Amino acid sequence: EPEVTQTPSHQVTQMGQEVILRCVPISNHLYFYWYRQILGQKVEFLVSFYNNEISEKSEIFDDQFSVERPDGSNFTLKIRSTKLEDSAMYFCASSDIQGIPRSGNTIYFGEGSWLTVV
Amino acid sequence: ILNVEQSPQSLHVQEGDSTNFTCSFPSSNFYALHWYRWETAKSPEALFVMTLNGDEKKKGRISATLNTKEGYSYLYIKGSQPEDSATYLCAPPYILTGGGNKLTFGTGTQLKVEL
Repeated sequence: EPEVTQTPSHQVTQMGQEVILRCVPISNHLYFYWYRQILGQKVEFLVSFYNNEISEKSEIFDDQFSVERPDGSNFTLKIRSTKLEDSAMYFCASSDIQGIPRSGNTIYFGEGSWLTVV
Repeated sequence: ILNVEQSPQSLHVQEGDSTNFTCSFPSSNFYALHWYRWETAKSPEALFVMTLNGDEKKKGRISATLNTKEGYSYLYIKGSQPEDSATYLCAPPYILTGGGNKLTFGTGTQLKVEL
């Protein structure tokens, strides 16, 4: 069964360093997302990406964050200058255009990248 | 901002027990409700997308019902097994103008099934 894959599974970085989290969404999907979960908190939406541009972003997704789909298969999340509070599990997800109109298509998640900022 | 609540927060049951838990969500402007099962160190697995009031969906021993008028969904597990141990998340989607969905997750119900 097709799946969303993410790398790295775990990264430790120093505060202020740049981090790039990588994702390979399911190949025929068109919508791509990043979510995160800070330990003990809810899974929260960061950004959605469609047709090579951001379609929606949350208030968490400030100028320190950026996303890119550089080559038609990878989807990356970059954090320019990490802060301690960026420590979280980051999930990539994707969905296609099929499904019941107005119902919401199934969104498929990767296993997550655990980021620890020290 | 959607307020999505799940209860209980955690649940311990014995193997073979049947169990259920609740997801509450705003009933106005309802589109759908997603249920996910999330095992530690694995990706959240989509269980159901529920859309119609009175919907009932089933996947093996797991089933879910939906009441859009009062804003709740129940997830049932019949004859729990240790492999059912996971966090169960519900999320109504917000349909994005450009397409796709934004999920607003509840806090989850953490289920532990003991031998």
